[in-house]
Amino acid sequence: DAGVIQSPRHEVTEMGQEVTLRCKPISGHDYLFWYRQTMMRGLELLIYFNNNVPIDDSGMPEDRFSAKMPNASFSTLKIQPSEPRDSAVYFCASSSDDREGPTDTQYFGPGTRLTVL
Amino acid sequence: GQQLNQSPQSMFIQEGEDVSMNCTSSSIFNTWLWYKQEPGEGPVLLIALYKAGELTSNGRLTAQFGITRKDSFLNISASIPSDVGIYFCAGATPRGGTNAGKSTFGDGTTLTVKP
Repeated sequence: DAGVIQSPRHEVTEMGQEVTLRCKPISGHDYLFWYRQTMMRGLELLIYFNNNVPIDDSGMPEDRFSAKMPNASFSTLKIQPSEPRDSAVYFCASSSDDREGPTDTQYFGPGTRLTVL
Repeated sequence: GQQLNQSPQSMFIQEGEDVSMNCTSSSIFNTWLWYKQEPGEGPVLLIALYKAGELTSNGRLTAQFGITRKDSFLNISASIPSDVGIYFCAGATPRGGTNAGKSTFGDGTTLTVKP
């Protein structure tokens, strides 16, 4: 398997622009997580899905952030409008309820480094 | 909400030295996990622990699940330069309850190894 795929790997945009981050989880995984990592705040869980349904979005910082999972193989995290303080590395991770593997293990993508000028 | 206190925040050691880091929580977890993040990458699982008191090794790494289920430690023996990275602990709760499927991550321990 190719692992969790994220795109783009790097994004530089200007304040006020819309940003869309994309994630393809590992095939067969039923949980998908979006995290944000900064030096100041560490690794923060923004939202997670189970079987394409949002379970907990309490980590989403503001209404400017939204996430969707239209099917089991694709999710987006959108920021509109973007602000300089949104600059961070955004990770997508997936996991499986399959008891054959290490339970609760999350497999992370390589991240998207977002810079908002 | 659930929080993990991970310490130390950073470590600067000489190659060959042993390393120890730990996590404590005010909440009980059913699973403890340790991840390593290398520069420019996402965290990768090192060790998973599922039973209170469990001691598990993976090469030079050893981790233990505390008896109270509120803490865990990770030891690295005979460190080498490629051990450099950020080490995260994470606690997970059972799939059937509140926070099902979710892990709570510590703030990380940044390890620097000098050759």
